[in-house]
Amino acid sequence: DIQMTQSPSSLSASVGDRVTISCRASHTISTFLNWYRQKPGTAPEVLIYAASNLPGGVPSRFSGGGSGTDFTLTISSLQPEDFATYYCQQSYNSPQTFGQGTKLEIK
Amino acid sequence: QVQLVQSGAEVKQPGASVKVSCKTSGYTFTNYAMSWVRQAPGQGLEWMGWISTYNLNTDYAQKFQGRVTMTTDTSTNTVYMELRSLRSDDTAVYYCTRETATPSVPRPRRWFDSWGQGTLVTVSS
Repeated sequence: DIQMTQSPSSLSASVGDRVTISCRASHTISTFLNWYRQKPGTAPEVLIYAASNLPGGVPSRFSGGGSGTDFTLTISSLQPEDFATYYCQQSYNSPQTFGQGTKLEIK
Repeated sequence: QVQLVQSGAEVKQPGASVKVSCKTSGYTFTNYAMSWVRQAPGQGLEWMGWISTYNLNTDYAQKFQGRVTMTTDTSTNTVYMELRSLRSDDTAVYYCTRETATPSVPRPRRWFDSWGQGTLVTVSS
């Protein structure tokens, strides 16, 4: 199985800050990498697909980059609704696997 | 609009089975595959498997092989996930999630674009 490792596991920041979350795959996965945000008590929602693409309706403050084994999710200016947990996910191989999550908290 | 509505919470004893449903609407059912993802309390996301609603092919994570079955009912646009021989560590919220893909060749990029609200399954004696 491909292991996905996120860093940091938790992060404190303020509204308006720029933050970056990293995700590393144990094997190369090209750009088969997606990012999700999960607010407490709700289902995850996709933010980025195929490493750097924004689905319709996702705010432009979210951006993704990387290929191969190293990927990033950047939020350019944190909004109150962004304090949540973020997961990366690879769809290169079965089983599809998620990172352990990065919890973003208010400073 | 796309909707995935799951069945309600379940409490099961160890060794029992549970069958969770996911009723879909707002799109052509057979155009999109469905995955199931679970989340134990306070933990991360775990992919359990996938079913093609078009040809009924399945792909289950090795961890669940032999214990899980995913099926569909095209007359009601509903997907089901049955998990057998339940253990306490199967206590989790179970999500159905629709898989969409880019038209890229040779390999399309896939991601989960819509999710059910989740079904809490509690396994306890």
